[in-house]
Amino acid sequence: GAGVSQSPSNKVTEKGKDVELRCDPISGHTALYWYRQRLGQGLEFLIYFQGNSAPDKSGLPSDRFSAERTGESVSTLTIQRTQQEDSAVYLCASSLVRGGRTDTQYFGPGTRLTVL
Amino acid sequence: AQSVSQHNHHVILSEAASLELGCNYSYGGTVNLFWYVQYPGQHLQLLLKYFSGDPLVKGIKGFEAEFIKSKFSFNLRKPSVQWSDTAEYFCAVNPNQGGKLIFGQGTELSVKP
Repeated sequence: GAGVSQSPSNKVTEKGKDVELRCDPISGHTALYWYRQRLGQGLEFLIYFQGNSAPDKSGLPSDRFSAERTGESVSTLTIQRTQQEDSAVYLCASSLVRGGRTDTQYFGPGTRLTVL
Repeated sequence: AQSVSQHNHHVILSEAASLELGCNYSYGGTVNLFWYVQYPGQHLQLLLKYFSGDPLVKGIKGFEAEFIKSKFSFNLRKPSVQWSDTAEYFCAVNPNQGGKLIFGQGTELSVKP
């Protein structure tokens, strides 16, 4: 079946502009995650949605970052007033939940954000 | 704070050499453990995972990993690497067996033909 999809694949923006990144999870996956990967570094957790529960926002680096999810489908990550340090690949993942615990996370191709 | 440490930043091997990539984590509770791989130009793919049971797990393409609870380790191994194994390898931990993954910094593997 279709995997996790993300759009756009690349985004170049000017410092101070707002950007929106989109994620379409695998159909039927109730859990959705956003991560950030800066150049030469590992993945950094940003936010996690699971069903109707309050999202885990503990990884968001500042209040310029926010995310929403519509039901158990599409999610949008918004970065306001972008800064050069926001340049990174933003990855989305989704997973099933079994017995109250999340299963393997499947990753999308990412959105490469460049802030000039 | 919870963390994952991968000991090698860049490993260079010749084809047919054996591979072992180290991964240690700092979390005292129950964990799920993963190795992901990112081939050049591709997105992250699951290589193998450990949830419970036999601590020696086998994954795709001849890879295996051993969970040693007493050492908080989950090292990745392959007896004979191929040029096509050239990629970046990430170890990840799922504390409390749910929610976010905590990733190591990644190990870049270069295999010379």
